Amino acid sequence: QKEVEQNSGPLSVPEGAIASLNCTYSDRGSQSFFWYRQYSGKSPELIMSIYSNGDKEDGRFTAQLNKASQYVSLLIRDSQPSDSATYLCAVSSDFGNEKLTFGTGTRLTIIP
Amino acid sequence: DAGVTQSPTHLIKTRGQQVTLRCSPKSGHDTVSWYQQALGQGPQFIFQYYEEEERQRGNFPDRFSGHQFPNYSSELNVNALLLGDSALYLCASSAGLESYEQYFGPGTRLTVT
Repeated sequence: QKEVEQNSGPLSVPEGAIASLNCTYSDRGSQSFFWYRQYSGKSPELIMSIYSNGDKEDGRFTAQLNKASQYVSLLIRDSQPSDSATYLCAVSSDFGNEKLTFGTGTRLTIIP
Repeated sequence: DAGVTQSPTHLIKTRGQQVTLRCSPKSGHDTVSWYQQALGQGPQFIFQYYEEEERQRGNFPDRFSGHQFPNYSSELNVNALLLGDSALYLCASSAGLESYEQYFGPGTRLTVT
């Protein structure tokens, strides 16, 4: 079983709609959760972090965490063509500065 | 505020050769982590340096080694290169053991022929 699982996509969403990206993880002791955006040929860019159960909103982005279900998600509201990228879910086992374990990423395409 | 920088941008090496990649962390950061990202995959953790010591190591062979300097910059060395070492090598920096967030540099694209 992979430690962090994501649907590889591609996920196609019309411009202006809500894009929903999902991630599950196997280590029940995981404490820190991150979403990175990676454009083709570029490096990952941190867009959201979440540490406690519930929702965290930042602009058009909302991260949701459910530790009991070992599930984390990212919602992108009012999707724009510039949101087209691969979204990587990353998990850390501690609140400290521990290694990140990544999923393989979900490729998102926003259709104008 | 300078972000994480890496050099070189691209590198082509032959099997069996050795390579050194360099990273300068974001201003104010003292911890450097290295990741390898193969095409179509998520980044894989290689190792992390803090206070000039290797703090954590992922599942990579001893051919992969590193170093951190007093100014917090870091090097990744790979010996006896294999074709399978071709990948994007990413450096991430963070602000000490109490910081949860890691920020990536632009990466070094290594091609082994």
